[in-house]
Amino acid sequence: NAGVTQTPKFQVLKTGQSMTLQCAQDMNHNSMYWYRQDPGMGLRLIYYSASEGTTDKGEVPNGYNVSRLNKREFSLRLESAAPSQTSVYFCASTPGDSSVYGYTFGSGTRLTVV
Amino acid sequence: SQQGEEDPQALSIQEGENATMNCSYKTSINNLQWYRQNSGRGLVHLILIRSNEREKHSGRLRVTLDTSKKSSSLLITASRAADTASYFCASRAGSNDYKLSFGAGTTVTVRA
Repeated sequence: NAGVTQTPKFQVLKTGQSMTLQCAQDMNHNSMYWYRQDPGMGLRLIYYSASEGTTDKGEVPNGYNVSRLNKREFSLRLESAAPSQTSVYFCASTPGDSSVYGYTFGSGTRLTVV
Repeated sequence: SQQGEEDPQALSIQEGENATMNCSYKTSINNLQWYRQNSGRGLVHLILIRSNEREKHSGRLRVTLDTSKKSSSLLITASRAADTASYFCASRAGSNDYKLSFGAGTTVTVRA
């Protein structure tokens, strides 16, 4: 099925460990986004990529890095995980300008940092 | 900071009743969108209303937009158990941004 695929679905990390969250879309979308969702706070934008080859910081970028590997793939890296990064992470994509098109979301990665 | 804020935070209704939730936003927008999130799942795009539109329908959903009050409402008619979910409004955060900013959501519970 066409859509946004995130891996892994669940992950437990120890403080200080690193990991990369993977995201891939097969809809030929130009723009991709990483959000985190915490209870009572809605979704907060971490990083986004307007098009292949570009990345920009969102609202809460500290502690994260991203790579737009190609048009399909946009990864999120935690270099040194902290308990404050315990959250559910969502990747999303749009054909272009996200204010014209709706987002297509992945099913999320539930990350726990202990 | 969040662009949109939903009200109420939570809503419980009987199956067959209508559910109404509201969204207020801070800056001028190009359009406003509504999303649904079922428990443990990703968000699903429901409907988009442009700034020059006042009302839009999609199936049992009705969305209104009042740009003078910087507010929008989502009405779900004849609710079903499957409508139990959280609903989020989202809009462009600023005129030079094209990324969306989400509110904290309204949690709707439909009782059988």
